[in-house]
Amino acid sequence: GEDVEQSLFLSVREGDSSVINCTYTDSSSTYLYWYKQEPGAGLQLLTYIFSNMDMKQDQRLTVLLNKKDKHLSLRIADTQTGDSAIYFCAELRGGRRALTFGSGTRLQVQP
Amino acid sequence: DGGITQSPKYLFRKEGQNVTLSCEQNLNHDAMYWYRQDPGQGLRLIYYSQIVNDFQKGDIAEGYSVSREKKESFPLTVTSAQKNPTAFYLCASRRTAKETQYFGPGTRLLVL
Repeated sequence: GEDVEQSLFLSVREGDSSVINCTYTDSSSTYLYWYKQEPGAGLQLLTYIFSNMDMKQDQRLTVLLNKKDKHLSLRIADTQTGDSAIYFCAELRGGRRALTFGSGTRLQVQP
Repeated sequence: DGGITQSPKYLFRKEGQNVTLSCEQNLNHDAMYWYRQDPGQGLRLIYYSQIVNDFQKGDIAEGYSVSREKKESFPLTVTSAQKNPTAFYLCASRRTAKETQYFGPGTRLLVL
């Protein structure tokens, strides 16, 4: 099947902004999500956006959605070392209401 | 304290053995899911259940089985037919009226 695509790795300095990008596949996806995974742990829901929105802000997190290009991004302002993790984008497809995930972007924050 | 629990944290399987991974939630969520995660990859859907006593295959169901006898519980059995079971297994749940899925802490399965 078609994949949700993310870049594999991003390195930033502490205090800078991070932007993690994702290209999804299903134009009928109603919700798009960002999850964070720390080593050996489950997935933590960070934020989500409904497909009729083009932006959502939640404290340091800003999600941008471009439906025409099927492009989703997550911006983390004032990135901290505690933000180092793997970030997954996911889309909600079809009747089974399950998520389809990208392969994850590893964010490394350098002091 | 509400949430999703998975046990055990680590599980070892011998050749030819079936093993069962536990997933329990006290969030009163209707839908539950099992995903498999391999190193450097995203999550792939194994099975899901939208209501009690009903479940459907996901994308990689071969070699796995589930049951949903209670709303709170959705155990996953990894059978001997699953030839490459080493992975991190994640359970999730979702309240039907809401689209957000919440995940448990995961079980890492290793083959001896």
